[in-house]
Amino acid sequence: DGGITQSPKYLFRKEGQNVTLSCEQNLNHDAMYWYRQDPGQGLRLIYYSQIVNDFQKGDIAEGYSVSREKKESFPLTVTSAQKNPTAFYLCASSGDGTANSPLHFGNGTRLTVT
Amino acid sequence: KNQVEQSPQSLIILEGKNCTLQCNYTVSPFSNLRWYKQDTGRGPVSLTIMTFSENTKSNGRYTATLDADTKQSSLHITASQLSDSASYICVVSQFSSYKLIFGSGTRLLVRP
Repeated sequence: DGGITQSPKYLFRKEGQNVTLSCEQNLNHDAMYWYRQDPGQGLRLIYYSQIVNDFQKGDIAEGYSVSREKKESFPLTVTSAQKNPTAFYLCASSGDGTANSPLHFGNGTRLTVT
Repeated sequence: KNQVEQSPQSLIILEGKNCTLQCNYTVSPFSNLRWYKQDTGRGPVSLTIMTFSENTKSNGRYTATLDADTKQSSLHITASQLSDSASYICVVSQFSSYKLIFGSGTRLLVRP
């Protein structure tokens, strides 16, 4: 079955530690995205990549970093510079990243930093 | 400012009843409007996508409407089931942009 796999589902870290969230897709999609979801708020875009080896900052990129070395993979690193990292993180992909291209989501990683 | 507002924030209905969720947007230039269903602890799943020229689209018991003049959309759920309990998210896409503007969702609880 084609889809997006995020791992792990739950992640616990101590404050000051960097942590990397995994996102893999086998949909052969060009574009991949990272969103953050907080209670009572709409999803907010962290980073976006339309092709391999290229990515752009979204609305809340500070304290996060990404890489896109392979088409299938788009890992997100939450660094110690992120002031409030505890949240639900969603990875998504779309065929070509254009406005009418449907978005497919993974099932998220819930990160808790104490 | 590009915004998507949804109402109500939460809703409780009895199994078998119908309900309608609302979405108002101020996104410009408009490309399309999407409704997603998100189960607790899971990623959103697409229900419908409507472009400017479409004013209604159905997906099983889910029917979305779009009025591009008033910038309003609704999602009507017919004969609700317990499995309809979820958050429903309205998302608007800007023309010629990868950016999507998300509403904060309506939490629906269907009770037996």
